[in-house]
Amino acid sequence: RKEVEQDPGPFNVPEGATVAFNCTYSNSASQSFFWYRQDCRKEPKLLMSVYSSGNEDGRFTAQLNRASQYISLLIRDSKLSDSATYLCVVNVKGKSTFGDGTTLTVKP
Amino acid sequence: DAMVIQNPRYQVTQFGKPVTLSCSQTLNHNVMYWYQQKSSQAPKLLFHYYDKDFNNEADTPDNFQSRRPNTSFCFLDIRSPGLGDAAMYLCATSRGPPDSGGETQYFGPGTRLLVL
Repeated sequence: RKEVEQDPGPFNVPEGATVAFNCTYSNSASQSFFWYRQDCRKEPKLLMSVYSSGNEDGRFTAQLNRASQYISLLIRDSKLSDSATYLCVVNVKGKSTFGDGTTLTVKP
Repeated sequence: DAMVIQNPRYQVTQFGKPVTLSCSQTLNHNVMYWYQQKSSQAPKLLFHYYDKDFNNEADTPDNFQSRRPNTSFCFLDIRSPGLGDAAMYLCATSRGPPDSGGETQYFGPGTRLLVL
């Protein structure tokens, strides 16, 4: 079993749709959690950190469930520019483990 | 303003010919990381430096080495590249210390390595 597993995707959605990604992790000692966005042939860029209380940044909402060991990312009102691969990252004592990513394509 | 810079952006080398990739940062971060990312896969951590302390991942091949001569620069040396080493190599930094558990990593644009 992989340490970090993401929805296999790809997700193809129309503009304006709401889409949710899930990510599960196996190490209960995991300390911090992030969502990164990676555009084709570019580097990963931090989208948002994920906190137990949940956090929201505009159209993006991230949630953490420590008991069930999963994190989620919700994107509301999808834009064409949201098309990218979304990487779940789990950090244990400074070591970051990436999920394989979920690819989102938003279509007109 | 570039914060994590990688050079070159594209590197072509021959099978078995040593190659060095470079990374520099203007963030004055303590920790620098090297990742390997192959197509449609997650970035895989090769090693990291916390200041001058080198930390190698257990499954990183001996073919990969790293140097950090000062805070700003870190190099990835591939002693004898094989065809399977063709990938994107990503450098990242964080403020550290690496066991703090909450550090955001900032990535450079990557160097895409092609092995002929």
